Amino acid sequence: QLQLQESGPGLVKPSETLSLTCTVSGASISGSGYYWDWIRQPPGKGLEWIGGIFYRGSTDYNPSLKSRVTISVDTARNQFSLRLTSVTATDTAVYYCARRNAWLAKYWFDPWGQGALVPVSS
Amino acid sequence: DIVLTQSPGTLSLSPGDRATLSCRASQSVRSGYLAWYQHKVGQAPRLLMYDTSTRATGIPDRFSGSGSGTEFTLTISRLEPEDFAVYSCQQYGSSPFTFGGGTKVEIK
Repeated sequence: QLQLQESGPGLVKPSETLSLTCTVSGASISGSGYYWDWIRQPPGKGLEWIGGIFYRGSTDYNPSLKSRVTISVDTARNQFSLRLTSVTATDTAVYYCARRNAWLAKYWFDPWGQGALVPVSS
Repeated sequence: DIVLTQSPGTLSLSPGDRATLSCRASQSVRSGYLAWYQHKVGQAPRLLMYDTSTRATGIPDRFSGSGSGTEFTLTISRLEPEDFAVYSCQQYGSSPFTFGGGTKVEIK
């Protein structure tokens, strides 16, 4: 059964870089036909798509965050990672990793990780 | 960006009731490329529906989806205790992919 689990520091200071890793178990991240994505949900708000990386390494990002986001993949460890630079309090959110279906360019997300709350505070 | 507006914000119902959740898009969602998710606190969000009306694997048939263009609906025919949760819609007809603000279905 495919499972995803986020990990990373519990607190990030303003202006610093937020880094999270998603560990995939139950399937190879190199398997064809999928993107591996990050999505976040600020407190009291809706979900926001951050971006994703295709199994072959190409990436696509939400234009609203593109200048600050890097998503990378480590196939040897079956992990993918998120880096978000120059964070502010508005980046405080629960960060989810998820697999994005890419079959026929139908981009729904399934499954998801449980999420990791990352507060941005000094 | 396509803005998705969900209504109502909160739905207070009893087990056995019918729940009707709305998701309205600011512009037409190409090919009905809309999904629904269920969230519970401390759990991974779960895909319920994709392509407007196709149930994901393992989703019971009391869940159904309908709609087209800018108006979409998720219906739960008879609420079970485990259905009380937050539900979000997501469009994947155009990038960036966007989500609605969610509807909370709570026990009355």
